[in-house]
Amino acid sequence: SAVISQKPSRDICQRGTSLTIQCQVDSQVTMMFWYRQQPGQSLTLIATANQGSEATYESGFVIDKFPISRPNLTFSTLTVSNMSPEDSSIYLCSVEVRTERLGFGTDTQYFGPGTRLTVL
Amino acid sequence: DAKTTQPPSMDCAEGRAANLPCNHSTISGNEYVYWYRQIHSQGPQYIIHGLKNNETNEMASLIITEDRKSSTLILPHATLRDTAVYYCIVRVWLRKPGANSKLTFGKGITLSVRP
Repeated sequence: SAVISQKPSRDICQRGTSLTIQCQVDSQVTMMFWYRQQPGQSLTLIATANQGSEATYESGFVIDKFPISRPNLTFSTLTVSNMSPEDSSIYLCSVEVRTERLGFGTDTQYFGPGTRLTVL
Repeated sequence: DAKTTQPPSMDCAEGRAANLPCNHSTISGNEYVYWYRQIHSQGPQYIIHGLKNNETNEMASLIITEDRKSSTLILPHATLRDTAVYYCIVRVWLRKPGANSKLTFGKGITLSVRP
């Protein structure tokens, strides 16, 4: 498994400002992901962030709005830019860990605790 | 990835087994069934996953039907702390690291454990 921490755990921001969310994992991982969970909704993948390459964004999410950095194998940041009240959500990072069992590997994603963002 | 169907909610009594169903009738041979749960306002927690054999760990058991078109997550002795939204997700697994398909979360099933 993996232990993941996020900072900040919550924040209240003014519209038009930006917030950078940090994600730290306790082991080196190749694949990191950023999700958004709007109030009362399920999780939606924003982007996949692999170390050493540009993040890959899902449909409906753009780099200008959600720039991502992945400077090493244990850390990533997501910035929510030029915020509006519609950006009020929980933002979660996750990592993928490969587990070998009986000579066969499978991948499992583990999630951080999330950052609860409120935009006024 | 194959789509999953879960009832919106269910409840069970504390101390009893909770059996959470999931239908995935279009699942293909290289797709795994994953279960996660999300306790209110927390990040999703991985529970278990399987391909075709039944699986058990310290949290739960996963029973997959022989035709793999449905599965059941079993919490053997539900407690109040098990109250959460449970997500059943089908995901293609490929041997190449990093090549797996993304996790797609549906609405899940809300399990309420009553005293």
